[in-house]
Amino acid sequence: DVKVTQSSRYLVKRTGEKVFLECVQDMDHENMFWYRQDPGLGLRLIYFSYDVKMKEKGDIPEGYSVSREKKERFSLILESASTNQTSMYLCASTPPLAGGSYNEQFFGPGTRLTVL
Amino acid sequence: LAKTTQPISMDSYEGQEVNITCSHNNIATNDYITWYQQFPSQGPRFIIQGYKTKVTNEVASLFIPADRKSSTLSLPRVSLSDTAVYYCLFLLGSSNTGKLIFGQGTTLQVKP
Repeated sequence: DVKVTQSSRYLVKRTGEKVFLECVQDMDHENMFWYRQDPGLGLRLIYFSYDVKMKEKGDIPEGYSVSREKKERFSLILESASTNQTSMYLCASTPPLAGGSYNEQFFGPGTRLTVL
Repeated sequence: LAKTTQPISMDSYEGQEVNITCSHNNIATNDYITWYQQFPSQGPRFIIQGYKTKVTNEVASLFIPADRKSSTLSLPRVSLSDTAVYYCLFLLGSSNTGKLIFGQGTTLQVKP
């Protein structure tokens, strides 16, 4: 089975801190994604990566950056955390595209980040 | 502007069939429509995927009309354990430059 793990289930940080969220997948997937999930807004894509050292902005990249130095690891970075970044963060990965579709994504359990 | 529409919530009783519809105008020509299930404190989990007409697996059926501007997830004979949030997902635009669009989710509450 595909396994996607995230470094923390719960995280509490203070405004202005630099925050690292780590995601690791063990199935040699090319594509990895970071989403945030908020009540009433569903899942929104922050960034994704289709290869090592490659990254693409999603719908809401402001205030975030990412790093993909190794194929299995995709990190989300909050350079200076703010209270409006309090949310559930979900990482996902997919194998290479088949017919142009990203659709079957394998998700991690999520990290609930609280910024005070 | 891409837009998806799902009902925010639905109630059902054990043993009933539940149909959840997602509308998705401007879906990419070659993209599949996928549905996910999410339980509290877990990441979403793939349920079913289809391109057109009808797809059925051991968990659900997916109905997609010819124009592909909507899709309906059908859960036969739901049980209490089907209480979850259900999301549709599709790709807006081309496979290389498109954006992944999740619906806003439908919270299904199954009652005894």
